[in-house]
Amino acid sequence: QKEVEQDPGPLSVPEGAIVSLNCTYSNSAFQYFMWYRQYSRKGPELLMYTYSSGNKEDGRFTAQVDKSSKYISLFIRDSQPSDSATYLCAMTGIYNQGGKLIFGQGTELSVKP
Amino acid sequence: NAGVMQNPRHLVRRRGQEARLRCSPMKGHSHVYWYRQLPEEGLKFMVYLQKENIIDESGMPKERFSAEFPKEGPSILRIQQVVRGDSAAYFCASSQGSQETQYFGPGTRLLVL
Repeated sequence: QKEVEQDPGPLSVPEGAIVSLNCTYSNSAFQYFMWYRQYSRKGPELLMYTYSSGNKEDGRFTAQVDKSSKYISLFIRDSQPSDSATYLCAMTGIYNQGGKLIFGQGTELSVKP
Repeated sequence: NAGVMQNPRHLVRRRGQEARLRCSPMKGHSHVYWYRQLPEEGLKFMVYLQKENIIDESGMPKERFSAEFPKEGPSILRIQQVVRGDSAAYFCASSQGSQETQYFGPGTRLLVL
């Protein structure tokens, strides 16, 4: 069993739709949760960062963490064609022990105009 | 403010040759991480270095792979006697501290013929 599971998609939605991306994990030691966006042939860029359980909102993006269910989500409101990319969840345990990130497989998202 | 720099962006090697991948962290960052991304897979942690020290190499293959981050100059990921299975995108990330956000470079795409 992988430490972090993420549906690889691909996921195709019309412009303006609400997108829900999810990851599950097995290691209860994970404390820090991130979402990265990766455009084709580029490096990942950090979108959202949350610590422990709860919600965090930044513009059209909302990240949710449910540690009791070992489940994290990223919601994108009013999706745009420019949101078309691969979205990677990542997590780590106690940061000061190394910062090693464990990534999900990535979900490929396509937003159609 | 330049981001994380990686070169070369593309590298072609024949089986048995050596590959050297270079990473210059963001200005002011002294922590470097290397990740590998195989086709259809997420990023896998390889090694975490600070200046002149390897902190965590738990993701490095036991043979043929080595990494360094000298006092002066970029971090180097070295793959000796490459095999076809080494073909992948190799990403470098840097952070200001072990508890800080990791910023990724554009990656080096290695193709082994």
